[in-house]
Amino acid sequence: AQSVTQLDSQVPVFEEAPVELRCNYSSSVSVYLFWYVQYPNQGLQLLLKYLSGSTLVKGINGFEAEFNKSQTSFHLRKPSVHISDTAEYFCAVSLLSSNTGKLIFGQGTTLQVKP
Amino acid sequence: EAGVAQSPRYKIIEKRQSVAFWCNPISGHATLYWYQQILGQGPKLLIQFQNNGVVDDSQLPKDRFSAERLKGVDSTLKIQPAKLEDSAVYLCASSPWAEPTNEKLFFGSGTQLSVL
Repeated sequence: AQSVTQLDSQVPVFEEAPVELRCNYSSSVSVYLFWYVQYPNQGLQLLLKYLSGSTLVKGINGFEAEFNKSQTSFHLRKPSVHISDTAEYFCAVSLLSSNTGKLIFGQGTTLQVKP
Repeated sequence: EAGVAQSPRYKIIEKRQSVAFWCNPISGHATLYWYQQILGQGPKLLIQFQNNGVVDDSQLPKDRFSAERLKGVDSTLKIQPAKLEDSAVYLCASSPWAEPTNEKLFFGSGTQLSVL
């Protein structure tokens, strides 16, 4: 079975500071990796995803993530956050071999950007 | 391009009552998903449709939950009777086809259900 663990439930940070949101996954088969963001009262929006190739993936709004196969991690980073980045962030996986597109999500990390 | 539409936006009911949620996917999207997002947890897949057929309903509590997509377009998710633990946001998502890269997967804004 597959599982996704987001190591921090809440991450408070000051505006313009760097941030890292941690994600680890467990799977006996190959997976694709995703980060989604959920702003208050909105649906999930894709930030970035890792399918193959370069392990450093760049996404929207200045976010990037690095896939580390040996540590089964996919941490999300941003060098300088803005107030508008305050939101819930979800790490997720899907199975390469699957034909369903089903996503398995982590518990979420609330990023709180303070002025 | 219009997004995934869901209604109602909020619903408050008492336990043992019934409730229904509606989802209108993006035009032309054959694959439709219902996810349940309990406060403090990540979304969990309840059911997946491909056109009007069910692909995966392994995590749907079938004694109280039901879903249909009769004409392969709109979908309805029903809970009868509701329990306190059903309080959650119910997210609908759609995609032109089902594939693991989720290249064109889009989520609606969700229906927030409170069971008192």
